Amino acid sequence: NAGVTQTPKFRILKIGQSMTLQCTQDMNHNYMYWYRQDPGMGLKLIYYSVGAGITDKGEVPNGYNVSRSTTEDFPLRLELAAPSQTSVYFCASTGGGQALNTEAFFGQGTRLTVV
Amino acid sequence: GEDVEQSLFLSVREGDSSVINCTYTDSSSTYLYWYKQEPGAGLQLLTYIFSNMDMKQDQRLTVLLNKKDKHLSLRIADTQTGDSAIYFCAEREHSSASKIIFGSGTRLSIRP
Repeated sequence: NAGVTQTPKFRILKIGQSMTLQCTQDMNHNYMYWYRQDPGMGLKLIYYSVGAGITDKGEVPNGYNVSRSTTEDFPLRLELAAPSQTSVYFCASTGGGQALNTEAFFGQGTRLTVV
Repeated sequence: GEDVEQSLFLSVREGDSSVINCTYTDSSSTYLYWYKQEPGAGLQLLTYIFSNMDMKQDQRLTVLLNKKDKHLSLRIADTQTGDSAIYFCAEREHSSASKIIFGSGTRLSIRP
């Protein structure tokens, strides 16, 4: 059981470049999340999704886009990378409905540096 | 909007109890969580408490919830070096039960 898988683990981007952070989960979870964790800081919610075809903004969505075409996948897109987007990005998934008390499973993170 | 606040650092002596505190703003939160993050790793759930509970105990961990003051605490008994980590408090909002909001994390360091 792989859980939540994020790729890549590390990436260096130049200012203005674009990239997609991949996230996939094999637990048939409805809810998926993208967080960013800046050095020495907590997690800030970028976007989340409650099911395929449904996405919503979190606390810090500017500069990012997401899509949820399948239950398993929730990619995060950076269109024009900026130094302020240097961070560690975590994808997470959890059950919903009657499973609200279930934990959120986290991927291992993607460390992104924009130079 | 929702907000979760924690103190940033805590230092305790090995063998003592650690108490990590958290305050939250959403009075209708259904679930409140404690997560642990070790260096270079993702977050792992330690424990959670439902909003109609006052206390939950799980081995060395005790969670206390004061709903009136919107205050959550995590007590780790007999703190060990392996407990060194960042501890995050999180709340799951009630209105849509979809967003999970995290605090800034408390870095727990253990001194001999």
